[in-house]
Amino acid sequence: SQKIEQNSEALNIQEGKTATLTCNYTNYSPAYLQWYRQDPGRGPVFLLLIRENEKEKRKERLKVTFDTTLKQSLFHITASQPADSATYLCALAGYGGSQGNLIFGKGTKLSVKP
Amino acid sequence: DAGVTQSPTHLIKTRGQQVTLRCSPKSGHDTVSWYQQALGQGPQFIFQYYEEEERQRGNFPDRFSGHQFPNYSSELNVNALLLGDSALYLCASSFGRALYNEQFFGPGTRLTVL
Repeated sequence: SQKIEQNSEALNIQEGKTATLTCNYTNYSPAYLQWYRQDPGRGPVFLLLIRENEKEKRKERLKVTFDTTLKQSLFHITASQPADSATYLCALAGYGGSQGNLIFGKGTKLSVKP
Repeated sequence: DAGVTQSPTHLIKTRGQQVTLRCSPKSGHDTVSWYQQALGQGPQFIFQYYEEEERQRGNFPDRFSGHQFPNYSSELNVNALLLGDSALYLCASSFGRALYNEQFFGPGTRLTVL
């Protein structure tokens, strides 16, 4: 069955450092991979989408890579700030019949300490 | 411009009861998807509505049903509630069914089943 793993449940880093979160998947060939941010008690907020034929995408301090050979995506936040503290979710989406179906990982809780 | 709104915010029910949750999509959006998020887990896809019809369904029993109205708002109904139905129920809207379209999530409805 399809499986998504996010590297760890929690990641603690110092302000100013780069946070790197990992999303691995098995038994799936996604057309798109998305990253979301979720704050406690709130719904997820879309951050970035990357297509299977794209290797890297950037948005301000965020960078996402997508390696379909390794079946892995890396999500980087450079110059991290305490305000970046949240849970980050990766989500996969396929073609055709699964158009409406986003498959989410459990998320990684990022804490940025001042 | 209001984003995705959901009601109620919180709900407490007992086993065997029925519940209806409501969602109004972001202005201009025509597609609504529903997700269930248990504590410490990522959201799980329940179903998607487009043009007032259920288009995709996740691995949820028939106790979970929905509806989309002509104004694109949507309802999620759960019958014969079980303790395991306790979760945060999220609604997401987008323009069109394609998953490269950004999904906008509402704040969710926290359902507790006693």
